[in-house]
Amino acid sequence: QKEVEQDPGPLSVPEGAIVSLNCTYSNSAFQYFMWYRQYSRKGPELLMYTYSSGNKEDGRFTAQVDKSSKYISLFIRDSQPSDSATYLCAMSAAGGYQKVTFGTGTKLQVIP
Amino acid sequence: DADVTQTPRNRITKTGKRIMLECSQTKGHDRMYWYRQDPGLGLRLIYYSFDVKDINKGEISDGYSVSRQAQAKFSLSLESAIPNQTALYFCATSDPNRDYTFGSGTRLTVV
Repeated sequence: QKEVEQDPGPLSVPEGAIVSLNCTYSNSAFQYFMWYRQYSRKGPELLMYTYSSGNKEDGRFTAQVDKSSKYISLFIRDSQPSDSATYLCAMSAAGGYQKVTFGTGTKLQVIP
Repeated sequence: DADVTQTPRNRITKTGKRIMLECSQTKGHDRMYWYRQDPGLGLRLIYYSFDVKDINKGEISDGYSVSRQAQAKFSLSLESAIPNQTALYFCATSDPNRDYTFGSGTRLTVV
């Protein structure tokens, strides 16, 4: 079983829809949770960063962490065609250097 | 200029050839990384370095070597390329808070 599981998609939604992207994990030591966005032919770029549990909002994006269920989510409101990309979750334990484990990514297409 | 620059962007090489991928960064961070990305497998860590004198193996270091020439430069070598090393390779740098900045990648094909 992989430490981090992510549905690869593809996920196709109409413009303006609310998008929900999710990851599950098995390592209870994970404390840092990140979402990266990767456009075609580009490297991943950090989108959201959360420490421990709870929600974090940034514009149209909301990240949620449920450590009791070992489940994290990224919500995108009022999705735009420019949101079409692959979204990777990533997580890491606390303390000194801890390896960041990436999910395999979910490909999202927002149709105008 | 990009914060993390990788060269070349694309490379086709033959089995058995030695090849070097280069990376430079302007973020001023000490930590640098090499990853490969394969469909369905995600990003896997090859090597990482916390300073010029500190080099560490990642999950999949066999068949690869690295050199940290300066704080800003970190190169990856394939001593004798094989077809299953065909992949998208990313260099990254990070601050201690795990904020990673990636390059645009090198698409390597070994034929």
